[in-house]
Amino acid sequence: EPEVTQTPSHQVTQMGQEVILRCVPISNHLYFYWYRQILGQKVEFLVSFYNNEISEKSEIFDDQFSVERPDGSNFTLKIRSTKLEDSAMYFCASSYDRWAYEQYFGPGTRLTVT
Amino acid sequence: DAKTTQPNSMESNEEEPVHLPCNHSTISGTDYIHWYRQLPSQGPEYVIHGLTSNVNNRMASLAIAEDRKSSTLILHRATLRDAAVYYCILRDVEGNNAGNMLTFGGGTRLMVKP
Repeated sequence: EPEVTQTPSHQVTQMGQEVILRCVPISNHLYFYWYRQILGQKVEFLVSFYNNEISEKSEIFDDQFSVERPDGSNFTLKIRSTKLEDSAMYFCASSYDRWAYEQYFGPGTRLTVT
Repeated sequence: DAKTTQPNSMESNEEEPVHLPCNHSTISGTDYIHWYRQLPSQGPEYVIHGLTSNVNNRMASLAIAEDRKSSTLILHRATLRDAAVYYCILRDVEGNNAGNMLTFGGGTRLMVKP
């Protein structure tokens, strides 16, 4: 069964450094998402992406964040200057189209900012 | 998206049915009811969705009240692997507020006893 993959599984970085989290969505899916989950808290939507453009974004997704589909398979989330409060699990998801009922989530990348 | 209310936790015995309730009294006519679950240390996973009629799939059944102000996710025979946090999520797929983001609440933590 096709699945969303994410790398790395765990990333440790120092405050102020840039990080790039990588995702490979399911191959025939057209919509891509990033969510995050701070330890012990709810899963929060960050951004959705379609046709090389941001479709929706939350208030969390400020200028420190950016997303990109650099090639036909990868989808990345960049945090330009990490803060301690960016420490969280980051989940990538994909869906076949905008109206799809199912979003398929990856296993997550645990980001630790020290 | 309209708000949902779920119990914080529930307990079940293995191989017995489990009924997970969700209240959504402010649901709009174009809100679909989605259920996702999150197994320990994993990303969320789609379970089932419905609009008005009861739905069955290989994972679970969804019973929707006639006035749509509540729904129940039914696991017919709980296994240890079903121990997870279950999220009831409303998503406007067709109306004026249609979007593709999922808004997660706190969910119900299901514990399954052997």
